[in-house]
Amino acid sequence: QVQLVESGGGVVQPGGSLRLSCAASGIAFSTYAMHWVRQAPGKGLEWVAFIHYDEVQNFYADSVKGRFTISRDNSKNTLYLQMNSLRDEDTAVYYCAKETSGSNPFDSWGQGTLVTVSS
Amino acid sequence: QSALTQPASVSGSPGQSITISCSGTRSDVGDSNVVSWYQQHPGKAPKLMIYEVGKRPSGVSDRFSGSKSGNTASLTIYGLQAEDEGDYYCCSHGGSTRHWVFGGGTKLTVL
Repeated sequence: QVQLVESGGGVVQPGGSLRLSCAASGIAFSTYAMHWVRQAPGKGLEWVAFIHYDEVQNFYADSVKGRFTISRDNSKNTLYLQMNSLRDEDTAVYYCAKETSGSNPFDSWGQGTLVTVSS
Repeated sequence: QSALTQPASVSGSPGQSITISCSGTRSDVGDSNVVSWYQQHPGKAPKLMIYEVGKRPSGVSDRFSGSKSGNTASLTIYGLQAEDEGDYYCCSHGGSTRHWVFGGGTKLTVL
């Protein structure tokens, strides 16, 4: 059974940095592309970033491009999101999600980790 | 990239059917069959309900059905049950770019 567990969330000041992790189990992690999706308090879902299963391709939403970096360590079955130059509007629950195929992008989700950007 | 357009809320009585629309453009919903739907209960992670416009993952009730016409996708729930209450989000691939766009979400209330 697929299990995705995010960690690393917390409170950070504007301009600060944070690194999120997503530990995967129950799957052949190195064979799946992965995503980060976020949800601001009381708001809808927003796609954040994508990483190919072997890291040959990364894509980012315009709202985070140049500030966030998605990466993975297939030897540790772990996905990461390095977030720099954080802004108030980055406050959200961050979910990692597994992609089965390009036509089924978010078939399994973690429980999420809350990032609060506040002074 | 702009969010897809969904109604803010829909409601129905137990046993009835409801449809949630998801309007996009020729560059996203209209450009491919890569449309998916997610159910989210308060405080919980989203759950995949429909992918590739009308396919159901294993374990999802056949009361859930997806379709698409032009730039608009739809999710229909037949035989509403109390546990269907929650928020529903559509999602589409952003055309030729490896970007994804969600709808603003629809709150379903079972009366």
